[in-house]
Amino acid sequence: SQQGEEDPQALSIQEGENATMNCSYKTSINNLQWYRQNSGRGLVHLILIRSNEREKHSGRLRVTLDTSKKSSSLLITASRAADTASYFCATYYGGSQGNLIFGKGTKLSVKP
Amino acid sequence: DAGVIQSPRHEVTEMGQEVTLRCKPISGHDYLFWYRQTMMRGLELLIYFNNNVPIDDSGMPEDRFSAKMPNASFSTLKIQPSEPRDSAVYFCASSFGGVLYEQYFGPGTRLTVT
Repeated sequence: SQQGEEDPQALSIQEGENATMNCSYKTSINNLQWYRQNSGRGLVHLILIRSNEREKHSGRLRVTLDTSKKSSSLLITASRAADTASYFCATYYGGSQGNLIFGKGTKLSVKP
Repeated sequence: DAGVIQSPRHEVTEMGQEVTLRCKPISGHDYLFWYRQTMMRGLELLIYFNNNVPIDDSGMPEDRFSAKMPNASFSTLKIQPSEPRDSAVYFCASSFGGVLYEQYFGPGTRLTVT
């Protein structure tokens, strides 16, 4: 399967701590995207990083991409209880414009 | 913009019945995607459209599933006849430019087939 795999599957931290989630994939990609899903809601796009980029920031979010290791990480700094959600990485390998493959996600719990 | 709109939000039906899920994408977006999410299989792409034309329906599980996009502001996903294993959350998403850019998801339709 070309599906990306997030690690860990679940993560529990205290408010104020940093949270790091990783995503590994199997073949060369065009871009990798991170999404957040709050319980009972649709997915919300966080960051898109292209294969020629190594790092992107958005507020308290930092995403890195290591194409040699076929992996990406999402760092949330100074976490808040409102960050509690599932986080998914999605990879686009090129070709058909619809083939965005989602991983199974990391379930993050931030305790106040 | 109101975002991607899906209806109904919840649907409970009996096995064998026809189910129709509806989606209104964000105005101006040229791609529309239908996904299904289950605990076992995660988020799966069922079908996507570009400029109202179905491009790839290889994710549609079987002939009981069909999708249409009669115009740029409306799409339907139909299951006929429905089966208990179709129980899942169905998401519609839209984007401008396909997977080169972010997708905007609707709130989903939670389908329960008894």
